Amino acid sequence: DIQMTQSPSSVSASVGDRVTITCRASQESSSWVSWYQQRPGTAPKLLIYAGFTMESGVPSRFSGSASGTDFTLTINNLQPEDFATYYCQQANSFPWTFGQGTKVEIK
Amino acid sequence: QVQLQESGPGLVRPSETLSLTCTVSGDSINTHYFSWIRQSPGKGLEWVGYVYYSGTTNSNPSLKSRLTLSIDTSKNQFSLKLNSVTAADTAIYYCARHSGGAALDYWGQGTLVTVSS
Repeated sequence: DIQMTQSPSSVSASVGDRVTITCRASQESSSWVSWYQQRPGTAPKLLIYAGFTMESGVPSRFSGSASGTDFTLTINNLQPEDFATYYCQQANSFPWTFGQGTKVEIK
Repeated sequence: QVQLQESGPGLVRPSETLSLTCTVSGDSINTHYFSWIRQSPGKGLEWVGYVYYSGTTNSNPSLKSRLTLSIDTSKNQFSLKLNSVTAADTAIYYCARHSGGAALDYWGQGTLVTVSS
């Protein structure tokens, strides 16, 4: 299985800040990595797929990038509704696997 | 608007079979792959398996020996059966649709299944 090591596990930030979350894949693969946002009590919501392609309707302050086995989600100009938990997920090979999650908290 | 809705018992006894159904509306089940994902506090998000309208399935090896996935195109539904459950199978179970970008673009609201006597 491809392991997705996500960091940090939590981050405290203020409205207007930039937040960067990273996932490192345990093996080289193509960029079939997605990012999801999950608010408490709700299902995950797709933000980014194929490494850097933004899902329709997602604010442009969210962006994704890839370099080798490292995949990054960046949130610019953090908004109150962005405080949530974020997960990466790889779809390069089965079984699909997720990172452990990063909780973005209010500082 | 595409919607997915999980249904099934919220409580299952240990060693019995967990059965869930996902009903898809706003889209034909013949056009996409669909997956089950579960989320428990101890293990985060775990992909369970996928099903396609042709009957093709793929399961997480960690569950494969206990898992049956099926689809009923006439009802626009797909189902999961997990046998010999233990407390470790307690989780919120989600169904979700695969997008063209190998991601999960529509999710059900999730259903909590507790394994307990």
